[in-house]
Amino acid sequence: AQKITQTQPGMFVQEKEAVTLDCTYDTSDQSYGLFWYKQPSSGEMIFLIYQGSYDEQNATEGRYSLNFQKARKSANLVISASQLGDSAMYFCAMSILTGGGNKLTFGTGTQLKVEL
Amino acid sequence: SAVISQKPSRDICQRGTSLTIQCQVDSQVTMMFWYRQQPGQSLTLIATANQGSEATYESGFVIDKFPISRPNLTFSTLTVSNMSPEDSSIYLCSATGRTEAFFGQGTRLTVV
Repeated sequence: AQKITQTQPGMFVQEKEAVTLDCTYDTSDQSYGLFWYKQPSSGEMIFLIYQGSYDEQNATEGRYSLNFQKARKSANLVISASQLGDSAMYFCAMSILTGGGNKLTFGTGTQLKVEL
Repeated sequence: SAVISQKPSRDICQRGTSLTIQCQVDSQVTMMFWYRQQPGQSLTLIATANQGSEATYESGFVIDKFPISRPNLTFSTLTVSNMSPEDSSIYLCSATGRTEAFFGQGTRLTVV
């Protein structure tokens, strides 16, 4: 079974600063994917970034980067130059590829608040 | 990236009734997934919707309560049956590729 742990229920960051959201995972599978999502108060799930277990480089997408440390089973999200619009709930998720689709297991989330 | 249209976006329903949620994907996908997000909680997988076969349900979810249809590779429905206030949640569908997983806008259901 897969398990995702997010130990920070809430985080505060000042505008324009960088922030790291923690995520650790547990799985016995060798092939897996790690995802991060942003969920604003509207409830939609916005895909941010993906890291495959065999990817050697850390994934980056604009201001988002994923600090992947496979031996430590961690996949932390780094948001650079925080903006007020980054205030939202952030979920880390793990996938086990199943017959052509990514079946996701989610962490409990981190509520990020960006302050002036 | 896939675009998923989900409707309704929200609804308020009487207990004992049923609601069907629809998801339309703008491209063909092998599998679609349905999730539930109870208030203040994370997402939990309800079932995997396969085209041409019955859906596969996760532990704690049954077909009688959450029947799913998948008539083709771009469309799926989830019905929440015989609703009670405990069913008040956000329901989301998902379509995935190898390195991505996109979600519909979600259906915010309130049962009164």
